[in-house]
Amino acid sequence: EIVLTQSPGTLSLSPGERATLSCRASQSISDTYFAWYQQKPGRAPRLLIYGASNRATGIPDRFSGSGSGTDFTLTISRLEPEDFAVYYCQHHGFLSRDVTFGPGTKVDIK
Amino acid sequence: QVQLQQSGPGLVKPSQTLSLTCAISGDSVFSDSAGWNWIRQSPSRGLEWLGRTFYRSMWLHEYAVSVKSRITINPDTSRNQFSLQLNSVTPDDTAVYYCTRDLSMRFDYWGQGTLVTVSS
Repeated sequence: EIVLTQSPGTLSLSPGERATLSCRASQSISDTYFAWYQQKPGRAPRLLIYGASNRATGIPDRFSGSGSGTDFTLTISRLEPEDFAVYYCQHHGFLSRDVTFGPGTKVDIK
Repeated sequence: QVQLQQSGPGLVKPSQTLSLTCAISGDSVFSDSAGWNWIRQSPSRGLEWLGRTFYRSMWLHEYAVSVKSRITINPDTSRNQFSLQLNSVTPDDTAVYYCTRDLSMRFDYWGQGTLVTVSS
């Protein structure tokens, strides 16, 4: 079973700053099946990035994803007030039932 | 615009069956490219995928190993919805349950979430 580890656990930044979030897999994975989500309190997660680097419909271009193998990154180029939230990475393996989520990174206001 | 509307009880007694329904609008449960999933979230387990149903000339089902012996996800084709049944629940099954649509196992539309508490 592939384990996803996210770092840091919490990222304290100010609006306008750049956020860099990391997700590391316990073994090499396909970037085709890698995604990022944003979740705000009391809300369902929202798909941001799929295929490691493709923005989902309606996602602003300040969000970008990159990476391959075991290391993936979500970058928010300039934080807007609405970007303070928890971010999760997600992967699924060759078998669809092997779906895993990372534990999340909280981006909060400094 | 796809919308998923969840319904079902928020309180279930231990050893009983948790049942939730997800009504689909803006898409069809018969979609040949989508899957219809249940995911739950709790402080102890984080986000946990439970399983899905999908139609590819026939109805198929996939379940997480952790709940495979207790779970059923079924389509309701007459109502364009799908359901979750989780048997023999314990307090460890207390969580917010979400229904979601997937395209190639990326979850692009989510229901509003239902907090289900397992307690006597």
